[in-house]
Amino acid sequence: SQTIHQWPATLVQPVGSPLSLECTVEGTSNPNLYWYRQAAGRGLQLLFYSIGIDQISSEVPQNLSASRPQDRQFILSSKKLLLSDSGFYLCAWSSNTGLGVHEQFFGPGTRLTVL
Amino acid sequence: AQKVTQAQTEISVVEKEDVTLDCVYETRDTTYYLFWYKQPPSGELVFLIRRNSFDEQNEISGRYSWNFQKSTSSFNFTITASQVVDSAVYFCALSGRVNTDKLIFGTGTRLQVFP
Repeated sequence: SQTIHQWPATLVQPVGSPLSLECTVEGTSNPNLYWYRQAAGRGLQLLFYSIGIDQISSEVPQNLSASRPQDRQFILSSKKLLLSDSGFYLCAWSSNTGLGVHEQFFGPGTRLTVL
Repeated sequence: AQKVTQAQTEISVVEKEDVTLDCVYETRDTTYYLFWYKQPPSGELVFLIRRNSFDEQNEISGRYSWNFQKSTSSFNFTITASQVVDSAVYFCALSGRVNTDKLIFGTGTRLQVFP
């Protein structure tokens, strides 16, 4: 069966510090991968999605970046965090086979607080 | 433009009551998919259902049922005999362009079930 992991689970970082959040998927090959941010009490905002290694699309211009160095690894980074980067970050995957639109499966999330 | 509206921000019910969560969507696509996700207090989004635009049959899964009506662009979710464990934020989502699996989420409805 497929599983998705995210770490760390929680993170407190000072403004201006770098960020690296990691997401890995097991039990599937060539998945579509996604990074979402959820601000407190708000909906989900798609930040990046990837259909393959080194193929990443950005949905929202910001000081965040994403990389996919391996098929099942998706990394969210920032060189300098802003207060507005605080939130709950969710990674998700969906199948890249077959027709139609596939459901996304989400990881446990990382709660980031920027002080 | 594509849009998902969940007008109910928060609903409170007492255990064993039935509750319906509303979802209204906008899209110009003739082929699209609709989804419901549950976000319990732990934060991880749990996939509940996927429905394509050509299948208007209502679906029932245990205490959960979904009513898809293209005529009113609605995809409502009913929980019968609610339980405390149903307390969560529920998100409705609409597929973006087919073949990308990108989803457009509503802002969510927080359901509180009191004993």
